[in-house]
Amino acid sequence: DGGITQSPKYLFRKEGQNVTLSCEQNLNHDAMYWYRQDPGQGLRLIYYSQIVNDFQKGDIAEGYSVSREKKESFPLTVTSAQKNPTAFYLCASSIQSWGSNQPQHFGDGTRLSIL
Amino acid sequence: GQSLEQPSEVTAVEGAIVQINCTYQTSGFYGLSWYQQHDGGAPTFLSYNALDGLEETGRFSSFLSRSDSYGYLLLQELQMKDSASYFCALSGNTPLVFGKGTRLSVIA
Repeated sequence: DGGITQSPKYLFRKEGQNVTLSCEQNLNHDAMYWYRQDPGQGLRLIYYSQIVNDFQKGDIAEGYSVSREKKESFPLTVTSAQKNPTAFYLCASSIQSWGSNQPQHFGDGTRLSIL
Repeated sequence: GQSLEQPSEVTAVEGAIVQINCTYQTSGFYGLSWYQQHDGGAPTFLSYNALDGLEETGRFSSFLSRSDSYGYLLLQELQMKDSASYFCALSGNTPLVFGKGTRLSVIA
């Protein structure tokens, strides 16, 4: 079955440490996204990619980095510059990043906490 | 810019009907989507409206009025499993913009 796989499900970060969250999709979608969700809050866009080797900053990109070397993969690195990284991180994909009716398909998320 | 407003919480009785409203502001509009998210889970796509009117999918319906920049999600014959957060989202010339979500609690 096609879908999006995020790993790990839970992740702990030490002070000063960079951590990388994995996101893989086999839906053959061009567009991929990373969102951050805090308790009781909506989804805030961190980065998105419309095509391989291209990505754009979202609303809260500071302290995060991404790469898009393959169509299937869009890993997110939470750097030590992100001072408040504790959150639920969601990866999503869609056929296109904008336009009419481009439903996003989401992974099951990674919950990141500070040690 | 783009923004959406929806109530933060709604409570309804099992078997009843509930309406979750969403108002929006945007400069480039293609449509309004709705997503459901259970606690700790992934959001899932429910419906999309590009034109004015009502779209029905089983127990769920979604309505759009472009002139009023307003839409709503209607859930009928509520079941306990409908307890979740519901997000409206704008489709435009940028990636989807999500509202902050409405937490629906279904009580017996």
